Amino acid sequence: DSGVTQTPKHLITATGQRVTLRCSPRSGDLSVYWYQQSLDQGLQFLIQYYNGEERAKGNILERFSAQQFPDLHSELNLSSLELGDSALYFCASSTDRWDTQYFGPGTRLTVL
Amino acid sequence: AQKVTQAQTEISVVEKEDVTLDCVYETRDTTYYLFWYKQPPSGELVFLIRRNSFDEQNEISGRYSWNFQKSASSFNFTITASQVVDSAVYFCALSEVINTGTASKLTFGTGTRLQVTL
Repeated sequence: DSGVTQTPKHLITATGQRVTLRCSPRSGDLSVYWYQQSLDQGLQFLIQYYNGEERAKGNILERFSAQQFPDLHSELNLSSLELGDSALYFCASSTDRWDTQYFGPGTRLTVL
Repeated sequence: AQKVTQAQTEISVVEKEDVTLDCVYETRDTTYYLFWYKQPPSGELVFLIRRNSFDEQNEISGRYSWNFQKSASSFNFTITASQVVDSAVYFCALSEVINTGTASKLTFGTGTRLQVTL
């Protein structure tokens, strides 16, 4: 158990819908990262937050957004969902930018 | 741009065989970190090791060992006396500091699927 929690574990929804994925980092970690794992793109970095501030964006679509709250939990919002958004979404946390990123169990999103 | 190459897509071995997973990376940074993660069939990503670019000592942890060769830009992972429980996808990753040092991200290889059979 990495100490990073993600909910829900599975999510099935329809095209055009909006969903919210939630992540709680390990105790003491200020950095939260989101990654997407899909069959065609592999593991891709989406976005990083540090202590509530956005620090870096990767291959994140404009339909996707995220935030980190004062209690350090983070949410990833995915809107206008398309079939191609079906993937495993991971959250990771670390103490600081050079530290090891510990991953949560992931949320498997299926868009029908 | 940084790149991690895991040329072996799938490896099948019989239990108790030794197996080496290859990882080759590209970076222009002088300071960087390399990682290995394991993804078992249950899907989670499990951290195995972190190695910084200035530490070229090989590391052993039980049946696992890692060989870092900076001159060859490689960070290979060997499992000795493999077991069925080692069956998983293994990812090599490179940490990149971005945005003038205020952030970082991991660049992952495509993974190597290891199947260990009895």
